[in-house]
Amino acid sequence: DVKVTQSSRYLVKRTGEKVFLECVQDMDHENMFWYRQDPGLGLRLIYFSYDVKMKEKGDIPEGYSVSREKKERFSLILESASTNQTSMYLCASSLSPAEAFFGQGTRLTVV
Amino acid sequence: AQKITQTQPGMFVQEKEAVTLDCTYDTSDPSYGLFWYKQPSSGEMIFLIYQGSYDQQNATEGRYSLNFQKARKSANLVISASQLGDSAMYFCAQTDSWGKLQFGAGTQVVVTP
Repeated sequence: DVKVTQSSRYLVKRTGEKVFLECVQDMDHENMFWYRQDPGLGLRLIYFSYDVKMKEKGDIPEGYSVSREKKERFSLILESASTNQTSMYLCASSLSPAEAFFGQGTRLTVV
Repeated sequence: AQKITQTQPGMFVQEKEAVTLDCTYDTSDPSYGLFWYKQPSSGEMIFLIYQGSYDQQNATEGRYSLNFQKARKSANLVISASQLGDSAMYFCAQTDSWGKLQFGAGTQVVVTP
């Protein structure tokens, strides 16, 4: 079975902190994604990576950056966390154009 | 740029009835994929069905079928014989030729006895 693992299920951070959300997949997928999910807005794509060290901005990249140094790991970085970044963050991986497999999500609260 | 539209924020359906969830998309890419996912209250994302842009026939998976109308850029999900366990949020999604996967806002389905 494909496994996508996010490092934390729940996270509470202070405004201004640098936050790292880690995602690891074990199926050698090229594509990896970071989304945030907010009620009424669905899943909005933050960043997408189709290969190691390759990244593309999604619809809402402002305030975020990403890192993909190894194929299995895709990190989302909040350089200076703000309260409007309180959300559920979902990581996914896929072999395009097949289905994407999702992690369990990280619920981030910025106070 | 891709854009996925789900116009129904929520729906009630009676058990054993069929329900159609609407999805339209907007892309200039000739090669793309269309997906439906289910998200129950527990939060996990469950893959339901996939349709490729060059597929001639509509995709079916058990009680799920995708009504693909390419000219109208429409990819509606039909759930036949609804069950109480079908109550969930349903998301339509699209990939482009690079594999970039984007989602609509979702439709909340509540199945009533």
